[in-house]
Amino acid sequence: GIQVEQSPPDLILQEGANSTLRCNFSDSVNNLQWFHQNPWGQLINLFYIPSGTKQNGRLSATTVATERYSLLYISSSQTTDSGVYFCAVDGFGNEKLTFGTGTRLTIIP
Amino acid sequence: GAVVSQHPSWVICKSGTSVKIECRSLDFQATTMFWYRQFPKQSLMLMATSNEGSKATYEQGVEKDKFLINHASLTLSTLTVTSAHPEDSSFYICSAIRTGPDTQYFGPGTRLTVL
Repeated sequence: GIQVEQSPPDLILQEGANSTLRCNFSDSVNNLQWFHQNPWGQLINLFYIPSGTKQNGRLSATTVATERYSLLYISSSQTTDSGVYFCAVDGFGNEKLTFGTGTRLTIIP
Repeated sequence: GAVVSQHPSWVICKSGTSVKIECRSLDFQATTMFWYRQFPKQSLMLMATSNEGSKATYEQGVEKDKFLINHASLTLSTLTVTSAHPEDSSFYICSAIRTGPDTQYFGPGTRLTVL
């Protein structure tokens, strides 16, 4: 199956800093999603981004499908951005998601 | 937006007992739902695909006789952990597919602790 690796595994930043999270995947995918898992475990979808660039407020994401990676940018970090960020991919003709290893982000006031 | 609920949100049980977890799509019908398991500080691992009106499809290494899945209606899938043991303690998350376009929505999760 598809392997999905994320880096860095842990990231600690001061409030106001910018960050870049990376997701590498081992094969062509139909879709790629970025999620934020809050401290209570709820998964919140941030982006559907199989290719190209999207922006939503302080967050943006870029997927380069030909090179099999995606980046999530968080600007002007806030303490509420803390949590675990996952990317997840699904293959063609298959809605099953394979989740990445996750990046645990901690924003310090 | 689409809402998926899970019940209970947390449960503590004794070793050897069975626990049923419900996953409901509240404002849409879902022919396909998924069950995931997440151990502490780890990623989500897909356990099985729940299909309305047919048998669930289990991922490799997941015991179908231990994790019973029933998708009896278009809005409800249940996961029953039979004869639970401490190693079954985990965070169980379901998701449901809403079509047009196909979008996967996640429930809030159920934390199971087996003593």
